[in-house]
Amino acid sequence: QKEVEQDPGPLSVPEGAIVSLNCTYSNSAFQYFMWYRQYSRKGPELLMYTYSSGNKEDGRFTAQVDKSSKYISLFIRDSQPSDSATYLCAMTVILTGGGNKLTFGTGTQLKVEL
Amino acid sequence: DAGITQSPRHKVTETGTPVTLRCHQTENHRYMYWYRQDPGHGLRLIHYSYGVKDTDKGEVSDGYSVSRSKTEDFLLTLESATSSQTSVYFCAINPDSRGGYTFGSGTRLTVV
Repeated sequence: QKEVEQDPGPLSVPEGAIVSLNCTYSNSAFQYFMWYRQYSRKGPELLMYTYSSGNKEDGRFTAQVDKSSKYISLFIRDSQPSDSATYLCAMTVILTGGGNKLTFGTGTQLKVEL
Repeated sequence: DAGITQSPRHKVTETGTPVTLRCHQTENHRYMYWYRQDPGHGLRLIHYSYGVKDTDKGEVSDGYSVSRSKTEDFLLTLESATSSQTSVYFCAINPDSRGGYTFGSGTRLTVV
């Protein structure tokens, strides 16, 4: 069983829709939770990160963490064609001596159609 | 991507040949990482470095070695390339200890 599970999609929605992306995890040691966006043939770029359970909002994006259920979500409001990309959840364990090690979900491919 | 470059961007090589990929950063960060990305598996950690000459293995390190002789450069070597190592390789730096990695643009490697 993978430490981080993510539905690969693809997910297709009309422009303006609310998108919900989700991941579950099994490792209770994960401390920080992140969402990355990856456009085709590009490297992943950090969208949001959070530490505690609850919601964090940034513009049209809301990240939600439920540590008791080991479940994280990313919501995209008023989705745009430019949001079409692969979204990767990631979780980190802090290494002794500093630094950290990220574990990624497999990514969900999202397409927002006109 | 700002501050981190990978070379080459694309490479085709033959089975059994050694291959070295280079990651260069201009931001003097201590931690650097090599990941590979494959369909159905996502990004998986190959090796990482926490300083000059200090490296450690990730979850898929077999067949790979790394070296870091300078803070700015982190090299990934495939000792004897195999078809299973056909993948997209990403280097990352960790400017934020909480986990906000910055990734390079990737190297697309094909082993024939």
